Amino acid sequence: QKEVEQNSGPLSVPEGAIASLNCTYSDRVSQSFFWYRQYSGKSPELIMSIYSNGDKEDGRFTAQLNKASQYVSLLIRDSQPSDSATYLCAVSYNNNDMRFGAGTRLTVKP
Amino acid sequence: EAGVVQSPRYKIIEKKQPVAFWCNPISGHNTLYWYLQNLGQGPELLIRYENEEAVDDSQLPKDRFSAERLKGVDSTLKIQPAELGDSAVYLCASSLGAETEAFFGQGTRLTVV
Repeated sequence: QKEVEQNSGPLSVPEGAIASLNCTYSDRVSQSFFWYRQYSGKSPELIMSIYSNGDKEDGRFTAQLNKASQYVSLLIRDSQPSDSATYLCAVSYNNNDMRFGAGTRLTVKP
Repeated sequence: EAGVVQSPRYKIIEKKQPVAFWCNPISGHNTLYWYLQNLGQGPELLIRYENEEAVDDSQLPKDRFSAERLKGVDSTLKIQPAELGDSAVYLCASSLGAETEAFFGQGTRLTVV
């Protein structure tokens, strides 16, 4: 069974702090990794994609991938109250089957 | 560029009735996904299409669910008959192809009473 695991949270950080979201996956042949943000009552919105080991930065967001440890993370710097949402980790396996974790709920307190 | 379009946005039906959801993917996107999302959970894959071919429908409850993607563009997901446990949000997503970013439509919130 291919699984994507996330800490469901809630994760609470003060405004301006760094929020760290983590995800582990079970299949070593996974190829592509994605982070989605989902506001309550809305559909998932793509934030970041990462395909190779290391860090990828986009504005306040940094995705980190470690394939040897089967681990992918998302860092949000200078967290804002508008970042309060559920963050979904998605993994695309070698048969192109994209699976999602249950999501981590993040609250940024002013 | 238009995003993924789904309709209807909301649907309330009585149990045992049929229901259908429609999805129009982003133009040029060959891969189309249908997901189901329950409250507090991540999206769960129901079926994936590559053009008009269903290449992964292992999670689709085939006794009551069916899907089609005629001409490799629009897709329809049907439930017949609906059960109370089918109440959820049904999400459609599309991508250019294998291992690329998927973009979601607004979803259809189904309530079965």
